[in-house]
Amino acid sequence: NAGVTQTPKFRVLKTGQSMTLLCAQDMNHEYMYWYRQDPGMGLRLIHYSVGEGTTAKGEVPDGYNVSRLKKQNFLLGLESAAPSQTSVYFCAISESGRRSMGAFFGQGTRLTVV
Amino acid sequence: GQQVMQIPQYQHVQEGEDFTTYCNSSTTLSNIQWYKQRPGGHPVFLIQLVKSGEVKKQKRLTFQFGEAKKNSSLHITATQTTDVGTYFCAGNAGGTSYGKLTFGQGTILTVHP
Repeated sequence: NAGVTQTPKFRVLKTGQSMTLLCAQDMNHEYMYWYRQDPGMGLRLIHYSVGEGTTAKGEVPDGYNVSRLKKQNFLLGLESAAPSQTSVYFCAISESGRRSMGAFFGQGTRLTVV
Repeated sequence: GQQVMQIPQYQHVQEGEDFTTYCNSSTTLSNIQWYKQRPGGHPVFLIQLVKSGEVKKQKRLTFQFGEAKKNSSLHITATQTTDVGTYFCAGNAGGTSYGKLTFGQGTILTVHP
């Protein structure tokens, strides 16, 4: 899925450590999303952005921060990682409005907090 | 806040049987999207429904959007082993929350040959 690149693909953190997940797109889409996926919980929206310089909270924003300083990048930060944040994190992008052809997802980042 | 519920959570079928998953939103949606995720993969967009009462077909897959734009369904006719995966609906609330794409919990489909 060359349009959406997530970095890193795997990471193990110790409780209390911080890290930043990077999502980069080359499709010039307006909207960007961060989801986490846990067994039986589906995809839960953490934060999203409808344009450069704007961010908004999703369903489960606590413990995470985001920034979208450039249109092509959406960063997800964990300031003090907790075991409850062990999950698979997906970034997604989409066009705005009725032109949207759905969201394109990155390959995911598997994060383990020990 | 907006909630999107999807049932059933699991469905096991014999190859050739039909399959249906249902999606219900707590609020009226601007549009609804459907995705498929294969085991170990990422969600892949299938289709978007925008109009009240809309019905769209993709080969053996039929998608419906309810008249009130609060519910939707995906029906697969004569399932095949290649249909295995998790099917998600995702609702776009519209209005001041346009762009906020909320997913249901997904339905995991297993097809026995």
